[in-house]
Formats: sequence, structure tokens, C-alpha cells
Amino acid sequence: SAVISQKPSRDICQRGTSLTIQCQVDSQVTMMFWYRQQPGQSLTLIATANQGSEATYESGFVIDKFPISRPNLTFSTLTVSNLSPEDSSIYLCSVDGTGRRQFFGPGTRLTVL
Amino acid sequence: GIQVEQSPPDLILQEGANSTLRCNFSDSVNNLQWFHQNPWGQLINLFYIPSGTKQNGRLSATTVATERYSLLYISSSQTTDSGVYFCAVDQGAQKLVFGQGTRLTINP
Repeated sequence: SAVISQKPSRDICQRGTSLTIQCQVDSQVTMMFWYRQQPGQSLTLIATANQGSEATYESGFVIDKFPISRPNLTFSTLTVSNLSPEDSSIYLCSVDGTGRRQFFGPGTRLTVL
Repeated sequence: GIQVEQSPPDLILQEGANSTLRCNFSDSVNNLQWFHQNPWGQLINLFYIPSGTKQNGRLSATTVATERYSLLYISSSQTTDSGVYFCAVDQGAQKLVFGQGTRLTINP
């Protein structure tokens, strides 16, 4: 299984600011995924990040709000821009591991005041 | 898009009990996975099981792809089994669609 780390583990941000979340994997992977989990809810895919190309966003998520970088095969960042209280969520990155199983990072818990 | 429904939404059991969690999906899939989210928020991959049966210790899972459902069995529950169990299916290109989860509480 892949070992995934995320930074920061949690943060409290003011309305109107931005937060950049880092995701680091211990092996090279083709695709990395970013998910959002709103309080008490399930996970929703935000986008797929491929190295060397633009991220692919799911319906309801736009690049201006959630810009993503993928500079190499082990690292990605997700920025949540122009924060509002509705952005308070857990943000998780994931990768495909052995046997087509998907593995998740520990998540970043964001609170927007 | 594909719909994923899990039941029951909540389940409260005593330590030592057995449980069965169900996942129904609305279309054929080539990838179904079960996850456990512990009380600290960490998601643990339990099974990749697009069809058939797998077992891992006290946990086992069965997927009947032709009837579009999957079951997760937990035997001899322990308090550490508490948390939310999600099933997720692949809507293409390894993009997972998650069900709403079953919140399991195991009381000592």
C-alpha cells in the first residue's frame, strides 16, 4: 500500500483567504485524486491530478476555486481559494495502489471563520 | 451518474455481536471497494471486491455484481470496529463514487 502524507493536518482560516494543502506519496503514481468530505457527509471527488497535464474537475468544482498543481509523480497541491464558511470540510488526497485499491491520506481538516 | 446506497445508516451493537452492512449500486461496475473511516477521520481500505467473496480476519465481503449489491460482514465486533463504513464504486478512470456510509457503534 502507498504511504500518503498531507500538510497541514488542520487549519483555521479567515473568510476570503486561501489555503494550500500538500499531498506527498512515497512512490511514483500516475494519478492523484482530491476529495472533499463536508461535516457528517460522504466523500465527493473534486478533481483528478495528472502529472504534466491540467487537472480534470468534476461537475460543481472549478479551477478558479480549487486550483491544483502536480509538479511530479509523488506530489500534488490543492488550493481552496476565497474561503467561506461553506468550505469547512475535510480534504483528502488519494492514489491507486496495488490491486486497484485506492489509498487515502490522513486528511486536512479546514475550518473557516 | 451511478447511485450508491448503503444500509442501514446507523447500527449500534454490543461487543461480540455480528453485523451485515449492505451496499446497492445502480449500474454495472468493475471496481467496488469497502472503507472504514475511524473516529479520527482516517480512511482504511478494507477490500477491493468487484465480484465474489473475500475474507480478512473477522471481516469478509461478498459482491454479487449481476444483482448490483455488496455485503460487508463483521464478526465478533470489537470497540475498535466503531466508525463509518463506506462502499465506493468506480465511475470510470478510477474515480470513486461513495455511498453515504453506515455509522457503526460498538459498545463495550
